Amino acid sequence: DIQMTQSPSTLSASVGDRVTITCRASQSISTWLAWYQQKPGKAPKVVIYKASGLESGVPSRFSGSGSGTEFTLTISSLQPDDLATYFCQQYHSYPVTFGQGTKLQIK
Amino acid sequence: EVQLLESGGGLVQPGGSLRLSCATSGFTISAYAMAWVRQAPGKGLEWLSSITSNADNTYYADSVKGRFTISRDNSRSTIYLHVNNLRAEDTAVYYCAKAVATTGGHFDYWGQGTLVTVSS
Repeated sequence: DIQMTQSPSTLSASVGDRVTITCRASQSISTWLAWYQQKPGKAPKVVIYKASGLESGVPSRFSGSGSGTEFTLTISSLQPDDLATYFCQQYHSYPVTFGQGTKLQIK
Repeated sequence: EVQLLESGGGLVQPGGSLRLSCATSGFTISAYAMAWVRQAPGKGLEWLSSITSNADNTYYADSVKGRFTISRDNSRSTIYLHVNNLRAEDTAVYYCAKAVATTGGHFDYWGQGTLVTVSS
């Protein structure tokens, strides 16, 4: 199985900050990676697919990059609405696996 | 508008069974793989199972293989998860999710979830 490791587990930042979350795969997954945003009490929502594709309707301050085993999710200018937990997911092969999540807190 | 609506959760005793349903609308279900993902209280997301668009292939996480069965009825626009021999560690919110392709891919739509609580 492909293991997905996110860092950090928790991130505290101020409005307007540039924020980066990292996800590492235990083996190459090409660009078969998605990022999900989950707000408290809500279902996850995809923000980035295929490593760098911005989902329709997602603000352009979100971006993704990487390939192989190293990936990043960047929020260029943090907004209060971005308070959420972010998960990476590989869908290169079954079993599909998620990272453990990064809880983003606003200072 | 794409909608996924889970049902069938509730309180069940250890060793018990449930059938979770996910009723869908707003898209042609027969063109997409579907999946179940769960989230234990305060924990992360755990993929459980996927089924291809025509049900030719099913996939399971090791943690539920042999106990959970995914199925679909495209004529009813519904997918199911039969969960057997439930354990306390199966307590979670169970989400169904729509994949973007016939065989898998990322999940572009999710339901609101149904809570399964396993307790005596």
